[in-house]
Amino acid sequence: DGGITQSPKYLFRKEGQNVTLSCEQNLNHDAMYWYRQDPGQGLRLIYYSQIVNDFQKGDIAEGYSVSREKKESFPLTVTSAQKNPTAFYLCASSGRTGSLNSPLHFGNGTRLTVT
Amino acid sequence: AQSVTQPDIHITVSEGASLELRCNYSYGATPYLFWYVQSPGQGLQLLLKYFSGDTLVQGIKGFEAEFKRSQSSFNLRKPSVHWSDAAEYFCAVGARQTGANNLFFGTGTRLTVIP
Repeated sequence: DGGITQSPKYLFRKEGQNVTLSCEQNLNHDAMYWYRQDPGQGLRLIYYSQIVNDFQKGDIAEGYSVSREKKESFPLTVTSAQKNPTAFYLCASSGRTGSLNSPLHFGNGTRLTVT
Repeated sequence: AQSVTQPDIHITVSEGASLELRCNYSYGATPYLFWYVQSPGQGLQLLLKYFSGDTLVQGIKGFEAEFKRSQSSFNLRKPSVHWSDAAEYFCAVGARQTGANNLFFGTGTRLTVIP
């Protein structure tokens, strides 16, 4: 079955450490996205990538970094510069670059806890 | 600028009762509108979408939504709620020009279903 795999499901880190969240898709989608979800808030866009080797900042990119070396993979690194890293992180993809005719498909998320 | 308001943070309904979840949007032109559902600890699943044409759209799991331009609303409805519908529901609006990377989500409505 095609889909988006995020790993791990739960991640714990000490403050000051960088951590990388994995996102892999086998849907052959061009575009991939990272969202952050906090209780009582909607999803906020961190970064997105419309093609390999290219990505753009979303609304809350500070303290995060990404890479897109392969079409299938879009890892997110939460750096020590991110002031409030504890959150639920969702990866998504869409088929056609920048087109809303191809809605977002989501992974099951990674819950990151930093203490 | 786009924005989405879901005025109800939490709604409780009895199993078998009808359901309406409210969504109001702000956007200068005709928007793309979506409803997504999220089960606890999971990613989001698309319920339905409106792009153009018939203002009453049918989705999965027996849900429907009606686009009312005059009220800037896109309310989600279901005639008879099942216990498995308990989840969080998100309304989202997108700009036709910029695609999925410019999708704005509401803060969500949590649905509780009582026997």
